[in-house]
Amino acid sequence: GAVVSQHPSRVICKSGTSVKIECRSLDFQATTMFWYRQFPKQSLMLMATSNEGSKATYEQGVEKDKFLINHASLTLSTLTVTSAHPEDSSFYICSAPPSRGTDTQYFGPGTRLTVL
Amino acid sequence: GDSVTQMEGPVTLSEEAFLTINCTYTATGYPSLFWYVQYPGEGLQLLLKATKADDKGSNKGFEATYRKETTSFHLEKGSVQVSDSAVYFCALSNTGFQKLVFGTGTRLLVSP
Repeated sequence: GAVVSQHPSRVICKSGTSVKIECRSLDFQATTMFWYRQFPKQSLMLMATSNEGSKATYEQGVEKDKFLINHASLTLSTLTVTSAHPEDSSFYICSAPPSRGTDTQYFGPGTRLTVL
Repeated sequence: GDSVTQMEGPVTLSEEAFLTINCTYTATGYPSLFWYVQYPGEGLQLLLKATKADDKGSNKGFEATYRKETTSFHLEKGSVQVSDSAVYFCALSNTGFQKLVFGTGTRLLVSP
């Protein structure tokens, strides 16, 4: 079946540095990808919708200058957490539907970010 | 706004026991409802779905019925296996399936 990968699976960084997380669709093209974050014992919260070739759409309350999203190709979206702080420590997950209008989504395995 | 509430875990069962994981939702309109499963080290996978009231989704022995009158979508399985150990997420979508609102997830642990 279709697979979505994320890299890295875990990252530890110092406060103030920037971290880039990649999300790739391995055997299908994704014009849209979604980025979620999950705090311990809480729901996955949608952060933004990544659109190939255009600007991402951010959910209310998500700082677009803090969480930079780039969807430069039909198989790759990146999320950059800029000037990371300990409160940004979380589990980040991406997903991608294989085509428009489908109710199917493929999820990546997630990236655990720890900011010291 | 839309929200999903599901029972806290972990749920610990012996093999062949009956499973119920409760899920209720709050939403405007007529959302589609989903159960996703996440096995250790893997991404979330769609387990089953229902798109309208009274629909029953089923897959791999799991089933859930869309109950509009109680705004619920409880997950059930008659006889769990060790391989069912995973985290189960209830979710809804009001926007054509693609933007999902998730519950907190329930970890299921099945022992031999």
